[in-house]
Amino acid sequence: DGGITQSPKYLFRKEGQNVTLSCEQNLNHDAMYWYRQDPGQGLRLIYYSQIVNDFQKGDIAEGYSVSREKKESFPLTVTSAQKNPTAFYLCASSSGNGGNQPQHFGDGTRLSIL
Amino acid sequence: AQSVTQPDIHITVSEGASLELRCNYSYGATPYLFWYVQSPGQGLQLLLKYFSGDTLVQGIKGFEAEFKRSQSSFNLRKPSVHWSDAAEYFCAVGASSSASKIIFGSGTRLSIRP
Repeated sequence: DGGITQSPKYLFRKEGQNVTLSCEQNLNHDAMYWYRQDPGQGLRLIYYSQIVNDFQKGDIAEGYSVSREKKESFPLTVTSAQKNPTAFYLCASSSGNGGNQPQHFGDGTRLSIL
Repeated sequence: AQSVTQPDIHITVSEGASLELRCNYSYGATPYLFWYVQSPGQGLQLLLKYFSGDTLVQGIKGFEAEFKRSQSSFNLRKPSVHWSDAAEYFCAVGASSSASKIIFGSGTRLSIRP
């Protein structure tokens, strides 16, 4: 079955460390997204990519970086500049490039600070 | 730019009772509307979507939603809830522009009373 795979499910970060969250999709979708979810705040967009080798900042991009070298993959790096990284991170994809297509979600990665 | 409001943070209903979750949106043109459900520790699953046409939309798991342009609302309903419906529900709004993104509400947590 097609879908989105996020790994790892749980991740721990030490002070000053960069960590990378993996997101892979086999839905042949052009667009991919990264969201951060905190309790009571819904989903906030970090970065999104509408096509390979191109991506745009979302609402809370500071302290994060992404790459889109392959259509199937959109890894997110949480850098040491992100001072409050503890959250649930969700990756999504859609067949369209904008707000008129439903997004399909992975099962998320929970990041905590050691 | 579009926006979406879910006025209820937490709702508790008895098993077998009917359910209505509220969603209000703001957008100048006809919006693209979505309802998603999230079980604890998992990603979001699409319940239903409205793009155009019939204003009463049927979704999965027995849910339906009605688009009311005059009230800028897209409320989610279910005639009889089951204990397995306990989850977080998110309303989302998009637009037809290819440069736009989907905006998610802050969510409504649904608890089921035995």
